[in-house]
Amino acid sequence: EVQLVESGGGLVQPGESLRLSCAASGFTFSAYWMQWVRQAPGKGLVWVSRINSDGSTTNYADSVTGRFSISRDNAKNTLFLQMNSLRAEDTAVYYCARQWNVAFDIWGQGTIVTVSS
Amino acid sequence: QSALTQPPSASGSPGQSVTISCTGTSSDVGGYNYVSWYQHHPGKAPKLMIYEVTKRPSGVPDRFSGSKSGNTASLTVSGLQAEDEADYYCNSYAGSNNFRFGGGTKLTVL
Repeated sequence: EVQLVESGGGLVQPGESLRLSCAASGFTFSAYWMQWVRQAPGKGLVWVSRINSDGSTTNYADSVTGRFSISRDNAKNTLFLQMNSLRAEDTAVYYCARQWNVAFDIWGQGTIVTVSS
Repeated sequence: QSALTQPPSASGSPGQSVTISCTGTSSDVGGYNYVSWYQHHPGKAPKLMIYEVTKRPSGVPDRFSGSKSGNTASLTVSGLQAEDEADYYCNSYAGSNNFRFGGGTKLTVL
């Protein structure tokens, strides 16, 4: 079964860091670009970041540039999102998603990040 | 990076058709044929319903269709069914390796 499972969310204070993981299974992970998308409470989906298949190219939304870093370990079929200098407005459910034909065809169930003092 | 504009809500009775709009600019929706639509039941993983404006992934019923005119894309759900009740989001490639989502539309089946 094709599957993405996120982990690593939790409650942190403003200014702290968190590292999210996304474990992929059921497909050739190393062949696909991957994305992170988030949804703040009561709000819509927002694209956060993406990484190409070999990890050599990364892109970020303006709101997270310089604070978040996307990476991947193709040997372990895992995608990461390192989040530094977290702010209250980063509070959201974070989803990883597989890119396919300039769309996102497989999504995880999400992991919750809460930034609060 | 402003979100694409969607109506906050839409509704229809079972069997009817409903169309959800997604308005952007010439820098996103109007500039590329890379509009996709997602169905999201709260607490579950979003599901891809339409990609590249009009294409349906395998397994998506043909009751779902997409179109685009200028800077506005649309998702039409025909023959509404109770299970279609969900939040729907459009997405467009926005150039410079960025993507942009719409604010979401809550579809209610009356």
